[in-house]
Amino acid sequence: DARVTQTPRHKVTEMGQEVTMRCQPILGHNTVFWYRQTMMQGLELLAYFRNRAPLDDSGMPKDRFSAEMPDATLATLKIQPSEPRDSAVYFCASGPGQAPHQPQHFGDGTRLSIL
Amino acid sequence: SQQGEEDPQALSIQEGENATMNCSYKTSINNLQWYRQNSGRGLVHLILIRSNEREKHSGRLRVTLDTSKKSSSLLITASRAADTASYFCATDPTPTGANSKLTFGKGITLSVRP
Repeated sequence: DARVTQTPRHKVTEMGQEVTMRCQPILGHNTVFWYRQTMMQGLELLAYFRNRAPLDDSGMPKDRFSAEMPDATLATLKIQPSEPRDSAVYFCASGPGQAPHQPQHFGDGTRLSIL
Repeated sequence: SQQGEEDPQALSIQEGENATMNCSYKTSINNLQWYRQNSGRGLVHLILIRSNEREKHSGRLRVTLDTSKKSSSLLITASRAADTASYFCATDPTPTGANSKLTFGKGITLSVRP
């Protein structure tokens, strides 16, 4: 089965450090989503791309977060500088052209802890 | 605020029993989707029901949609210990636009006791 691959699976770092999370979407999927999951807020959409162009990043703190798709096989989410409140599980999901109207396929997430 | 809100927040049942989970939402939708999340894993899509559909089945899953009440239910029949997970509803709101996005509820934690 085709899968969304996220790296790293776990990341522990000190506040102030740069964090980069990577995602390889399913081949052929042209819509990519970044979500953040916490106990308090649940699953929040941070940003999403279609055909590598950002469509919506309104859920993302712009001063410290950035999301890019250097090519169709790689999406990145960066936090600089990181803060303890950024601790969460970050998920990447991908979908076919009509996503979100179609099902999204999630990776297993990056569990981020900022000390 | 969350578009989809699930009810109950937690559910504990015995293996073999049926589990019913509910989702309410606020605005008009194109479709409603249910996802499952096992501990430490990503969400997995279970079923999608369109706004013009009232009921849909997939294996032991049955989903209903009542657009007049803005609610949906997910029924898992003959539950198994492996069904233990969190379940989320997600709504695809109208009007449809280039920036349409799914909105997820906070999820229901289902525990199935062997």
